[in-house]
Amino acid sequence: QVQLVQSGSELKKPGASVKVSCKASGYTFTSYAMNWVRQAPGQGLEWMGWINTNTGNPTYAQGFTGRFVFSLDTSVSTAYLQISSLKAEDTAVYYCARDQNFDYWGQGTLVTVSS
Amino acid sequence: DIQMTQSPSSLSASVGDRVTITCRASQGISNYLAWFQQKPGKAPKSLIYAASSLQSGVPSKFSGSGSGTDFTLTISSLQPEDFATYYCQQYNSYPLTFGPGTKVDIK
Repeated sequence: QVQLVQSGSELKKPGASVKVSCKASGYTFTSYAMNWVRQAPGQGLEWMGWINTNTGNPTYAQGFTGRFVFSLDTSVSTAYLQISSLKAEDTAVYYCARDQNFDYWGQGTLVTVSS
Repeated sequence: DIQMTQSPSSLSASVGDRVTITCRASQGISNYLAWFQQKPGKAPKSLIYAASSLQSGVPSKFSGSGSGTDFTLTISSLQPEDFATYYCQQYNSYPLTFGPGTKVDIK
């Protein structure tokens, strides 16, 4: 069965970096795009962008350029989200979600940025 | 960017009620509309794509309709496990955008 399993919660200080992983199983990883979605505490869902798992080409939504990087390791069917120069407002749950239909989601990774 | 609005923002309903949630796009999106259910502390779950197509494994009490700018999600008979927040999302054009959500709770 299709599964997206994300890495565990992270507590980081402002200015640090974090890398969230999303490991896919149960399907051919390179056949479906991967999206990233942010949910700040008590807030709604915000699409961050997506990565073409076949070419590795990322597309970032406005507001998620510069400090945010999507990457892949197709050998282990894993997508990554790296955030650098963390700020308090980056505190959120980050989700990966498969394909344009968002048919499968990871369980979410809570990133807390606090001094 | 295409703005998505939902109404109501919250509603209280009883088990067995028929519930309808409305989603409106700021411009036409054809049928590139999805609906998601999210329970507290959990990841969103896909219910409907292409405005009216049920995701595999989703019970038929959920249905979607609409095209262009106006869409609805209907739950035919609300059950305890349906109390959650529901989001619509357009995928007609980038950036993909979600509605603000509709919280369905117990009356």
